[in-house]
Amino acid sequence: GENVEQHPSTLSVQEGDSAVIKCTYSDSASNYFPWYKQELGKRPQLIIDIRSNVGEKKDQRIAVTLNKTAKHFSLHITETQPEDSAVYFCAAKVGGSARQLTFGSGTQLTVLP
Amino acid sequence: NAGVTQTPKFQVLKTGQSMTLQCAQDMNHEYMSWYRQDPGMGLRLIHYSVGAGITDQGEVPNGYNVSRSTTEDFPLRLLSAAPSQTSVYFCASKDGAGENTQYFGPGTRLTVL
Repeated sequence: GENVEQHPSTLSVQEGDSAVIKCTYSDSASNYFPWYKQELGKRPQLIIDIRSNVGEKKDQRIAVTLNKTAKHFSLHITETQPEDSAVYFCAAKVGGSARQLTFGSGTQLTVLP
Repeated sequence: NAGVTQTPKFQVLKTGQSMTLQCAQDMNHEYMSWYRQDPGMGLRLIHYSVGAGITDQGEVPNGYNVSRSTTEDFPLRLLSAAPSQTSVYFCASKDGAGENTQYFGPGTRLTVL
């Protein structure tokens, strides 16, 4: 089955700096890669996703890049703000199949004021 | 819409006790899943369902049962609770097999003594 590895497990940045979280996946058939944000004590919520037919997707301060050849994808947050502090999870899935999302182990991002 | 709801929010059990975690969604989603979240291990899939009457095992199914008698409800049963089942449990739903957003419930924090 699919295996998703996520790094780093913790990340601290100064407010205004950029943050990058990286994930690798094992199943070359995976073609859907969402990112979830989980604030303390809350449920995970989708913040951005990318499909394998594109290499990059942006939404305001967040962007995701995908390298299908290398089987890795990354989340980029620019101009970080204290409210970006949360746990971020990457996931992978074979789109259109009954297989469910496989999640990475999560990254605790702390934005220091 | 209430989205995905879970009850109870918190539960303490003694080893060997049984209980059912409730999950309901009002979005008419076909797909529903149960995950457990443990520190440093991300979200691991326990069981999932692709429609009423259909269930399948995920990554960590041992010690848990599920059933899906209606589209709306997907209860998770712990047959004989063990301390290793201490975790936060999230139910999730999505609309079909495609690359649609997976919505999570608020979670149930379970402690087994």
